[in-house]
Amino acid sequence: ETGVTQTPRHLVMGMTNKKSLKCEQHLGHNAMYWYKQSAKKPLELMFVYSLEERVENNSVPSRFSPECPNSSHLFLHLHTLQPEDSALYLCASSQGFETGTYEQYFGPGTRLTVT
Amino acid sequence: AQKITQTQPGMFVQEKEAVTLDCTYDTSDPSYGLFWYKQPSSGEMIFLIYQGSYDQQNATEGRYSLNFQKARKSANLVISASQLGDSAMYFCAMREGEGGADGLTFGKGTHLIIQP
Repeated sequence: ETGVTQTPRHLVMGMTNKKSLKCEQHLGHNAMYWYKQSAKKPLELMFVYSLEERVENNSVPSRFSPECPNSSHLFLHLHTLQPEDSALYLCASSQGFETGTYEQYFGPGTRLTVT
Repeated sequence: AQKITQTQPGMFVQEKEAVTLDCTYDTSDPSYGLFWYKQPSSGEMIFLIYQGSYDQQNATEGRYSLNFQKARKSANLVISASQLGDSAMYFCAMREGEGGADGLTFGKGTHLIIQP
C-alpha cells in the first residue's frame, strides 16, 4: 500500500448506530487531519493531530470522536449522527516539523450516508 | 469574510487551450502557503502545486504554474495545453503561519470541463 488509504469507502448508517472510519498513511508523515466535504460547501477542517496529539478541534460536535494511536493511523468514531452529517470524509497527512511545503496528501475519502 | 475566494464556479475550455483558474486570498499573517488541489469525480484530492508567501518566483510543476501576485493577494492556477483528463474540480487552499501541522482553508472550487 502506498499513500493514504481510507476504509470503508462507503458507509450507510442509522442515527443510532456507532461506526468508525479508518485512515492509514504510508508516507512517514507525523501530522494527520480529518476534513468534511459537504455538497456545495468548501472542505471543512475537523481535527488535526501532530505526533499523535490533537492540536486542533475545529468546533466539531462531540458525536465525532477522533483517535490517533500512532503516527500512521487515524480513526474517526461516529455515534448518534444526524442526517446533515452525510458527507465525504477525507483524511490527509503531511510532514509537521521539517522545513518544507507541508503539502497535505489525501486519501480517497469515505462517503457517509446517515439515514 | 471568506479567506479563499474562487469566483468561477464552472468553466468550459477547448482541449489544448491554456486555462487560468482564479483564486484570491485574505490573511494578515506574513507567513502563509498557497496550494492547489485537483479532485476528479472519484473524490480523491490530488496535490498540484505550492507557493510560499516568501517565494520570489512563481511556482511551476510540469503543465501547472501558479501566477502569484502578492500585493493583489492573488494566486491563480494556469494549466497549459489542457487535456481531457484535466476535467475535475479544482480547489485553492491556504495554510496560515509557519507551522507544518496546520489545517488548510479551502475555497469553494471551480468545476473545469475540457471539451474535445
